[in-house]
Amino acid sequence: DAGVTQSPTHLIKTRGQQVTLRCSPKSGHDTVSWYQQALGQGPQFIFQYYEEEERQRGNFPDRFSGHQFPNYSSELNVNALLLGDSALYLCASSSTGAFNQPQHFGDGTRLSIL
Amino acid sequence: GQQLNQSPQSMFIQEGEDVSMNCTSSSIFNTWLWYKQDPGEGPVLLIALYKAGELTSNGRLTAQFGITRKDSFLNISASIPSDVGIYFCAGQKRGSGGGADGLTFGKGTHLIIQP
Repeated sequence: DAGVTQSPTHLIKTRGQQVTLRCSPKSGHDTVSWYQQALGQGPQFIFQYYEEEERQRGNFPDRFSGHQFPNYSSELNVNALLLGDSALYLCASSSTGAFNQPQHFGDGTRLSIL
Repeated sequence: GQQLNQSPQSMFIQEGEDVSMNCTSSSIFNTWLWYKQDPGEGPVLLIALYKAGELTSNGRLTAQFGITRKDSFLNISASIPSDVGIYFCAGQKRGSGGGADGLTFGKGTHLIIQP
């Protein structure tokens, strides 16, 4: 039973560029959440996707956008990259339907901005 | 963004000792979770708590959901070398659409075991 998988594992970009990160949820999960984890900090919630729509959003600018596909996989897009966007980006999946379904995380994509 | 108040920030202990860490919030959560993160990996779920006052164990780990719903603690008994890592608490609220909201995390407790 595959867990949450993310790609790529590492990425280097320069300021002003755009980036797309990908996530495949754990089998049986239909909800995907994205988090940004800066060095030495806890993860910060970016947004959550369910039924191919953004259901909830954290305190992030609209340079951060996402998409969910019919197979429940998801993408995170970041435009006009800033140095401060350097972080570990984590994807978590869960099952909506029963509230008591904890989120399971992938190993993340390490994004470095030069 | 909001983060929970997690303490201590780091702990230096001897192998075999018991460990205790806690997390507090100014707002109420419906669910409290504890995760462990090793270098280069994502957080791994240790314990999930769904009811105020609930006490749940997972092997040598025990966690409690505070009565006020604004706090939680995690205890590790008889620590071993593989317990080294960063432990995060996370709170979750029930979403308006029937699902669950995104998680709010603490800054983590870095557990270091001295030989």
